[in-house]
Amino acid sequence: KAGVTQTPRYLIKTRGQQVTLSCSPISGHRSVSWYQQTPGQGLQFLFEYFSETQRNKGNFPGRFSGRQFSNSRSEMNVSTLELGDSALYLCASHAGPSTDTQYFGPGTRLTVL
Amino acid sequence: DQQVKQNSPSLSVQEGRISILNCDYTNSMFDYFLWYKKYPAEGPTFLISISSIKDKNEDGRFTVFLNKSAKHLSLHIVPSQPGDSAVYFCAASNSGNTPLVFGKGTRLSVIA
Repeated sequence: KAGVTQTPRYLIKTRGQQVTLSCSPISGHRSVSWYQQTPGQGLQFLFEYFSETQRNKGNFPGRFSGRQFSNSRSEMNVSTLELGDSALYLCASHAGPSTDTQYFGPGTRLTVL
Repeated sequence: DQQVKQNSPSLSVQEGRISILNCDYTNSMFDYFLWYKKYPAEGPTFLISISSIKDKNEDGRFTVFLNKSAKHLSLHIVPSQPGDSAVYFCAASNSGNTPLVFGKGTRLSVIA
């Protein structure tokens, strides 16, 4: 069974630009959750999608958005990038509720210069 | 306000000894707890979980203990092995389908 795929793995952008990150969940999983990991802050929840609907949203500004497609693939977008957006963005795939075991992808390392 | 706290950023243990990683939570609505392990350049991987109806759950070398009255859980690794060196995250949720809340992690170093 293929694991969770995230693309790209590394990204360098400059302040003010926008970025789109992609996540392909495990086949058969209908839920995708996104997290931001920064040094010393652990994993902070961004949003969760289930069957193309946003089910939960974390405490992040509106510059952070996401969506899920009918094939369960998900994208997240960050507009007007700030230096503080530099982080590892992790996507987790799960079969149903957020309490189901979440399987994480390797992450996308975003650096904002 | 941090709802899940891992107060030790790092821990060093000798190979073969017990590693004890601690986690405290403040939200009394949490009823499901998990531990994840993360190696550099990889995503976190699920280790073990426990629901609030239990106070202990074992899986091989890993045991999680839950003390609901103290709002505290701990992960015991016995015996510790060098391959256990990683960052360990504690996470909590309530079964009402709310997102997982993660702690900031504890970096475990197992010294041979």
